[in-house]
Amino acid sequence: DAGVIQSPRHEVTEMGQEVTLRCKPISGHDYLFWYRQTMMRGLELLIYFNNNVPIDDSGMPEDRFSAKMPNASFSTLKIQPSEPRDSAVYFCASTPGLAGVNEQFFGPGTRLTVL
Amino acid sequence: AQKVTQAQTEISVVEKEDVTLDCVYETRDTTYYLFWYKQPPSGELVFLIRRNSFDEQNEISGRYSWNFQKSTSSFNFTITASQVVDSAVYFCALSERNSGYALNFGKGTSLLVTP
Repeated sequence: DAGVIQSPRHEVTEMGQEVTLRCKPISGHDYLFWYRQTMMRGLELLIYFNNNVPIDDSGMPEDRFSAKMPNASFSTLKIQPSEPRDSAVYFCASTPGLAGVNEQFFGPGTRLTVL
Repeated sequence: AQKVTQAQTEISVVEKEDVTLDCVYETRDTTYYLFWYKQPPSGELVFLIRRNSFDEQNEISGRYSWNFQKSTSSFNFTITASQVVDSAVYFCALSERNSGYALNFGKGTSLLVTP
């Protein structure tokens, strides 16, 4: 299996622009997670899905952030409008079975820079 | 409140030294899971181990070993005979049944192994 795939790997944009990050989980995995990593706050869970349904979005920082999972093989994280404080590495992860019980497989991350 | 504390921000050792990375967690749940992940300079997150709250057996995998002690709420990680390739940031994480098993990461310990 190719593992969790994320695109783009790097994104540089200007404040106010819309940013869309993409994730393809490992086939057969029921759970998909979006995390954000910054120096100040470390690794934070933003949202996770079970069978394409959002289960917990309490980590989404504000209304500018939205996530969707239209099918089992694709998810997006959108920031609109983007701000410099959104600069971070965004990771997508997936796991089979019950979340938090099994190992989460992480993608390579998308490094977002908002100027 | 921080549920996972990794008090050591940075550790520097010379190759072949043993090193222990500390992890202290906080939970009121009786069912929970603990994880260690490695993040090398390339940035990806690599799963190392998972331990559930009902299994306090220590584990050894090659040069790696883990000591889980519920009495002190600790899940420490030891690398024996460290190597330069062990240089990375190591994250301890907790997932709890009462929190839907979302992963709660510590701030990480940056390990530098010099020749």
